[in-house]
Amino acid sequence: RKEVEQDPGPFNVPEGATVAFNCTYSNSASQSFFWYRQDCRKEPKLLMSVYSSGNEDGRFTAQLNRASQYISLLIRDSKLSDSATYLCVVNIPGRRALTFGSGTRLQVQP
Amino acid sequence: DGGITQSPKYLFRKEGQNVTLSCEQNLNHDAMYWYRQDPGQGLRLIYYSQIVNDFQKGDIAEGYSVSREKKESFPLTVTSAQKNPTAFYLCASQGPKNEKLFFGSGTQLSVL
Repeated sequence: RKEVEQDPGPFNVPEGATVAFNCTYSNSASQSFFWYRQDCRKEPKLLMSVYSSGNEDGRFTAQLNRASQYISLLIRDSKLSDSATYLCVVNIPGRRALTFGSGTRLQVQP
Repeated sequence: DGGITQSPKYLFRKEGQNVTLSCEQNLNHDAMYWYRQDPGQGLRLIYYSQIVNDFQKGDIAEGYSVSREKKESFPLTVTSAQKNPTAFYLCASQGPKNEKLFFGSGTQLSVL
């Protein structure tokens, strides 16, 4: 089992749709979780951290489910500009560096 | 403005040649990282450094070397031993609370 696993997609959705991605992680002791957004051939940029109680930033909602070891990202009212790859990032205890999932590609269509 | 700068943006390597990718940060961060990204893949850790004059191998260090002589600088050398170097290389730094990573804009390395 991969340490951090994501559905690669692509998720093709129409503008205005609501879309959700999940990311599973294998180490139950992981404590820090993030969603990054990456545009093609650009650097990843932090979208949001994921807190235990769940958190929201505008159209984006992140949630953590420790029992099932996954985090989720919900995007409401999708915009064309949301088209990108969304990377799940998790700390693995004992490792200095954060571990990245392979990303989920989202394509929002007019 | 504080940030992290990678250069060059595009780099071409001939067979048997060593090339060096530059990474400079003025964020006063101790921790710095090099990642490699292949098309459609996530980021894989090459090397990381937690403090000046110290660095550790990541998951795919073979064929690469680094140095950390200054806090601000963490150059990556892709040696001739790296047989498949074509990829997008990302440098990142991290603050003392081990929170979010700050990335450079990346270097696309291709083999001639």
